[in-house]
Amino acid sequence: AQKITQTQPGMFVQEKEAVTLDCTYDTSDPSYGLFWYKQPSSGEMIFLIYQGSYDQQNATEGRYSLNFQKARKSANLVISASQLGDSAMYFCAMREEGFGNEKLTFGTGTRLTIIP
Amino acid sequence: NAGVTQTPKFQVLKTGQSMTLQCAQDMNHEYMSWYRQDPGMGLRLIHYSVGAGITDQGEVPNGYNVSRSTTEDFPLRLLSAAPSQTSVYFCASSYSGQLAKNIQYFGAGTRLSVL
Repeated sequence: AQKITQTQPGMFVQEKEAVTLDCTYDTSDPSYGLFWYKQPSSGEMIFLIYQGSYDQQNATEGRYSLNFQKARKSANLVISASQLGDSAMYFCAMREEGFGNEKLTFGTGTRLTIIP
Repeated sequence: NAGVTQTPKFQVLKTGQSMTLQCAQDMNHEYMSWYRQDPGMGLRLIHYSVGAGITDQGEVPNGYNVSRSTTEDFPLRLLSAAPSQTSVYFCASSYSGQLAKNIQYFGAGTRLSVL
């Protein structure tokens, strides 16, 4: 069965510093996708970044990058030059590949607080 | 530019009442799903659908019913509300297919309290 583990319930980071949010996963499927979502205090779930298990390079989207270490089954989110608006809950999620198999498994999340 | 629309945003029920949470998407996505979010537990899948007329159970389906008569709509029914169903409910949709990279887009959520 799929499992996602986020071991940091909360983090405090100084504004403009880089921050790494940890995510480890467990799956026996060789083909899968990893996602990060942001949930600000307003409650909506915002897609940030995606990494496929066969992607050769780490995914990047603006200030977000994904440090993907397949052998260690980790997919850490890196936010560069943090901003006050980055304060939110962050969720890591995984989907195993397969037709009709769009089910996402989520971790428990990390609450990030940016300190001015 | 609506995306995934959920109604209502807030709801208070008494134990034993029934209600339907509405979800509609305008992106022609085949896949739709319902999650619940409880403190410290992330999001858990309740029910999902890979197309009109096709639904299946997720991780926590008890106490909920769904149907999918159109591509656009995927309502979630609470049959007899219980305090354990107090939660935030999210609807999500995506394209369906072989590849893992289909991004799921979420509605704004429905905050439900059962007294």
